[in-house]
This record gives sequence, C-alpha cells and structure tokens, in this order.
Amino acid sequence: GDSVTQMEGPVTLSEEAFLTINCTYTATGYPSLFWYVQYPGEGLQLLLKATKADDKGSNKGFEATYRKETTSFHLEKGSVQVSDSAVYFCASASGGSYIPTFGRGTSLIVHP
Amino acid sequence: GAVVSQHPSRVICKSGTSVKIECRSLDFQATTMFWYRQFPKQSLMLMATSNEGSKATYEQGVEKDKFLINHASLTLSTLTVTSAHPEDSSFYICSALRASEQFFGPGTRLTVL
Repeated sequence: GDSVTQMEGPVTLSEEAFLTINCTYTATGYPSLFWYVQYPGEGLQLLLKATKADDKGSNKGFEATYRKETTSFHLEKGSVQVSDSAVYFCASASGGSYIPTFGRGTSLIVHP
Repeated sequence: GAVVSQHPSRVICKSGTSVKIECRSLDFQATTMFWYRQFPKQSLMLMATSNEGSKATYEQGVEKDKFLINHASLTLSTLTVTSAHPEDSSFYICSALRASEQFFGPGTRLTVL
C-alpha cells in the first residue's frame, strides 16, 4: 500500500520567512497527492492537491509540485504569517481512492 | 460549506465504561463517513468506513465489537467505544465524503482512566 513520509517538526520560523516542509511517498502507480492543514481546534482542511506528475497545486500562497522522479511533494511558501501556524499533513491516494494515506503531520509555529 | 462537527470535543471516562462520539455533517448529506484514530505524533489511521443504512466496513486489526459504528441518517454517524480501557485513549477524527472529497471534523480527545 501507499506510505507517506514527512519531516518531523516542529518547524519554527519567524514571520515572512521561507517555508519548506518535505514530503516523499511510495505507491504503486501514480497516486494523487495532497496537503491538508489542521488549525488549532479545527478539523483537517484540504490545502492543495496534484493528480499527475509535474502538476503544481497552490492555495493561499502555498505551493507543492508533484515530482515523479524523486517521489516528492514538498510544501513551500515564500513568506509565512503567524496565522499559518498549524499542523500540515501530506497524503497520497492511489487508484482513485477517496481514502488518503497520511503522513505523521508537521507542526509549524510562526513567531511575530 | 461542507462543515463537519464532532461531539464531544474531549471526554474523560473510567475504565470499563462505554463512550459515544457523534459525527455530524452540518450542511450536506453524507452517505459515507469515515472514522480515524490518531496517536501522538503519528499519522491518521483509518479505522472504519461508515455507510448510511448498512454495516460499517472495518480496517484490518480494528475490533468491530469494540468500536461500534452506527450511521443511521445521512447526517449522523456515531462511534461507541465499548468497555474502554486506557489503551483506547486517543484522538478520534471523523470525516464525511462529499463529491469525492473528505471533509473532516475537529476531532474528539478520549482519555480513559
């Protein structure tokens, strides 16, 4: 089955810093890839997704590119804000499944 | 739109008692809901798929008699942890499926003493 590995946190940054959260996956075939975000006290929300190689998902200033050659889907943002503080989950889903396989989550803490 | 709620948000119970957790889709109907469990610093683990009007489908290794799931309406699924023990302490998250996308609830923290 699919597996997803993402960098351990917490990641602590100052406001306006550049963010990268690494994510790699193993899967049979070509899965769809997702980033979810969980703000404190709330449920997971889909942040962005990509369904095929070289696709770039983007939302709210965050971007991730589906890299087949490195089996990666790293999350990036050029300038983080305090309001971006949350836990970020990378996930993959193969074969059109509605049920993603999640990574462990990476906590992001942004200081003013 | 696509809001999912869970109740309670946290619960503490004594060992041997049963606890019911509710998952509601507030602004849409969901034929299919999912229940996940999350251990500290671990990923979400799918426990079961809840289908309205039929029996839930449990993942391998999840005891169906321990974790009772009822999906009696298109907006409500319940998870009952029966005869809870300290090892059942965890964060339980539900989601509801709408148009091929899962919408997640905020989770329920269960602590069994």
